[in-house]
Amino acid sequence: DTEVTQTPKHLVMGMTNKKSLKCEQHMGHRAMYWYKQKAKKPPELMFVYSYEKLSINESVPSRFSPECPNSSLLNLHLHALQPEDSALYLCASSQEPYPGYGYTFGSGTRLTIV
Amino acid sequence: AQKVTQAQTEISVVEKEDVTLDCVYETRDTTYYLFWYKQPPSGELVFLIRRNSFDEQNEISGRYSWNFQKSTSSFNFTITASQVVDSAVYFCALSEAERRDDKIIFGKGTRLHILP
Repeated sequence: DTEVTQTPKHLVMGMTNKKSLKCEQHMGHRAMYWYKQKAKKPPELMFVYSYEKLSINESVPSRFSPECPNSSLLNLHLHALQPEDSALYLCASSQEPYPGYGYTFGSGTRLTIV
Repeated sequence: AQKVTQAQTEISVVEKEDVTLDCVYETRDTTYYLFWYKQPPSGELVFLIRRNSFDEQNEISGRYSWNFQKSTSSFNFTITASQVVDSAVYFCALSEAERRDDKIIFGKGTRLHILP
């Protein structure tokens, strides 16, 4: 298995809803990432988990809450989002949390806040 | 300061033409890694290549080739005999070894249109 699987592929939610994005990999990778990508922009790093511990939070608003239940799973819990949070949310994993390994990306969740 | 510059925002070529995507990077590290990723309309970022700073050998993979030149801090990507399926956004990216994390810095991307 050489994939990163993200669910759901599309999500429409209201500003008062609570939802979660899910990411799964079975490659034994020890680092997992959440990226946010607005249209026609490069991906922007949100969070990094290294060996299941949060190692980087790029000053992301608290309405986004990451969780890493085990080495294969990464969740992003969403609550009280704003319309500007509409974007493609990409999950990625890397063999080790060190420079040079490169990432394997999932196909993303297209999130629309209404 | 922007560390990865992809000056070409958008390129259109006719199918079967060759096309080169430019990437210029900036780093003070002596050890670093460069990447190219492809993002088709489906959204997934597809890894194409990784090159470390000590390996300036050019690489060819089928119709794809990469030219790494440390003297000009460039890592350009050429598609030979382009095909419609090559239409995508291409990102060049940099990872610096002296960082304590493995954050990858992306360029702004080049949107490539291959016209039939």
